Amino acid sequence: AQSVTQLDSHVSVSEGTPVLLRCNYSSSYSPSLFWYVQHPNKGLQLLLKYTSAATLVKGINGFEAEFKKSETSFHLTKPSAHMSDAAEYFCVVTQNSGYSTLTFGKGTMLLVSP
Amino acid sequence: DSGVTQTPKHLITATGQRVTLRCSPRSGDLSVYWYQQSLDQGLQFLIQYYNGEERAKGNILERFSAQQFPDLHSELNLSSLELGDSALYFCASSLGQVHNSPLHFGNGTRLTVT
Repeated sequence: AQSVTQLDSHVSVSEGTPVLLRCNYSSSYSPSLFWYVQHPNKGLQLLLKYTSAATLVKGINGFEAEFKKSETSFHLTKPSAHMSDAAEYFCVVTQNSGYSTLTFGKGTMLLVSP
Repeated sequence: DSGVTQTPKHLITATGQRVTLRCSPRSGDLSVYWYQQSLDQGLQFLIQYYNGEERAKGNILERFSAQQFPDLHSELNLSSLELGDSALYFCASSLGQVHNSPLHFGNGTRLTVT
């Protein structure tokens, strides 16, 4: 079984300040983890992916995430927020054993103020 | 641009009716996935096709059906529509058939049932 919990439904930051979006997961087997971003009226776009290689994963647009097995976390960070980062972010888990579908978190809405 | 095309963008219909949503995957991708996104349920996996064959089933109602054609485009058929079927329906595609392949999402079809 697998599940994912995004700890904040909304996060508000000022432009130029750091971003932290929190995600905890559970998985019976070795997981693959993703972060997707959804801008208004758009489909989801892959930001980054972890599949048991390096624990610090770099993605597009300056985002990165760190896989911490001991904490079952995969938090998304960015050093300096930009107005264009305002969107909804989804943490996603699947298992690397057998055939497993994706489980999406409920999403975190990132609000960026000038 | 993800390369995944969904039509129509918007659909308004009455309860009890039937509609068909269409998806053209990214060039070269063999898998097509259908997701339903609603405010209360979040993103729910409905069904996956790989190279014309059904590969995995998620929370798809019996009133819903899908198929993938030889040219790899897919259609999602929703019948006996209810108010609760109002949602954003996304199609995604990937090269492989396992769910840890990155997904490329279309911009969705917004279905409103009145």
